[in-house]
Amino acid sequence: QVQLQESGPGLVKPSETLSLTCTVSGDSVSSYYWSWIRQPAGKGLEWIGRIYSRETTNYNPSLKSRVTMSVDTSKNQFSLKLSSVTAADTAVYYCARSTPAADFDSWGQGTLVTVSS
Amino acid sequence: QSALTQPASVSGSPGQSITISCTGTSSDVGSSNLVSWYQQHPGKAPRLMIYEGSKRPSGVSNRFSGSKSGNTASLTISGLQAEDEADYYCCSYAGPNTYVVFGGGTKLTVL
Repeated sequence: QVQLQESGPGLVKPSETLSLTCTVSGDSVSSYYWSWIRQPAGKGLEWIGRIYSRETTNYNPSLKSRVTMSVDTSKNQFSLKLSSVTAADTAVYYCARSTPAADFDSWGQGTLVTVSS
Repeated sequence: QSALTQPASVSGSPGQSITISCTGTSSDVGSSNLVSWYQQHPGKAPRLMIYEGSKRPSGVSNRFSGSKSGNTASLTISGLQAEDEADYYCCSYAGPNTYVVFGGGTKLTVL
């Protein structure tokens, strides 16, 4: 059974870059699609972007200018970088697996990232 | 503002049935059967309940069913149980530019 685990700093300063990593076990990051999704406290889910076939990326148009995703096949991990963060980027960040149809069948437990000085 | 529109809340008594709607456009919900539904309990990660419009993953109760008509998808929960109380989100594939959109979520209260 596939398991996903997010890791990274829980506190990021405004204007800096948020960096998170998702470690995958029970499956290979070379298969399927791998996404980042976030959820501000008390609010809904927002898809950030996905990576597949090791290097192909699709991003949410509203975040595209600030997002970079990558894969490390040697560690079976994929990563998110979100630049120029503001308080509006404070949220629980989830990593998830999906098919091309965007059905997310496996999720990490989520990690809270707070943007504050 | 979310791309897909869901009611903020619905409620029902144990044993009853409820339906949650998810309204999009011809570019997302209306363009295919690629709609999924997620259940989220407080403090937990979302769980896939319905995919490709009406299919249930292994382990999901057959009390959960999905359907679609035009630009509106629906999730029906029959025989409501206390543990169904949660937030529910719809999600749709939205084409080669937007890719993925979520609904704003619906809070289900079991009375």
